Amino acid sequence: DAGVTQSPTHLIKTRGQQVTLRCSPKSGHDTVSWYQQALGQGPQFIFQYYEEEERQRGNFPDRFSGHQFPNYSSELNVNALLLGDSALYLCASSSLQKRVRGETQYFGPGTRLLVL
Amino acid sequence: AQSVTQLDSHVSVSEGTPVLLRCNYSSSYSPSLFWYVQHPNKGLQLLLKYTSAATLVKGINGFEAEFKKSETSFHLTKPSAHMSDAAEYFCVVSENFGNEKLTFGTGTRLTIIP
Repeated sequence: DAGVTQSPTHLIKTRGQQVTLRCSPKSGHDTVSWYQQALGQGPQFIFQYYEEEERQRGNFPDRFSGHQFPNYSSELNVNALLLGDSALYLCASSSLQKRVRGETQYFGPGTRLLVL
Repeated sequence: AQSVTQLDSHVSVSEGTPVLLRCNYSSSYSPSLFWYVQHPNKGLQLLLKYTSAATLVKGINGFEAEFKKSETSFHLTKPSAHMSDAAEYFCVVSENFGNEKLTFGTGTRLTIIP
């Protein structure tokens, strides 16, 4: 079992550009959540996708958008990048069925984004 | 709204001595509480979770935490620190068994002194 995988591992962009980050959930999981972890801070919830729809959203501007594909993988898109978007972006996956039994989310290693 | 406060940003202990990482929570509902660990350049790993069952929760690698509703606390402890415990630790709260939004604390960096 490969667990949650994310690509790329590192990325450098300039202000104003757009970026797409990718996440493949753990086998058997159908829900993907995205978090932003700024340097020295705890992760902050961006949004969650289930059944290809955004189900819950944190306090992030519309520049942050996402998508979930039929195979449950997901993308995070950030438009008009700002210096403050530099962070580690974490993907977490979970299973609707397993949620009933209280199983929580599994995290990937993250994508480190640097905006210059 | 839910939140957690980690009372120490940095804790240093000697190898073989006890570890105590402190966390207070705030939640409108019966919360689910978690401790995650993050080693450098690695993903977040779940140490343990409380979801309204036993108030004393045992996790991996010898860690445990006690849920105290009267004190709104969920402190993480370990009887004897090991060098491999050096990492960043996050206290986390959720209002739906951890299936929805997780709210993280700011983290406690644990340093182990040889």
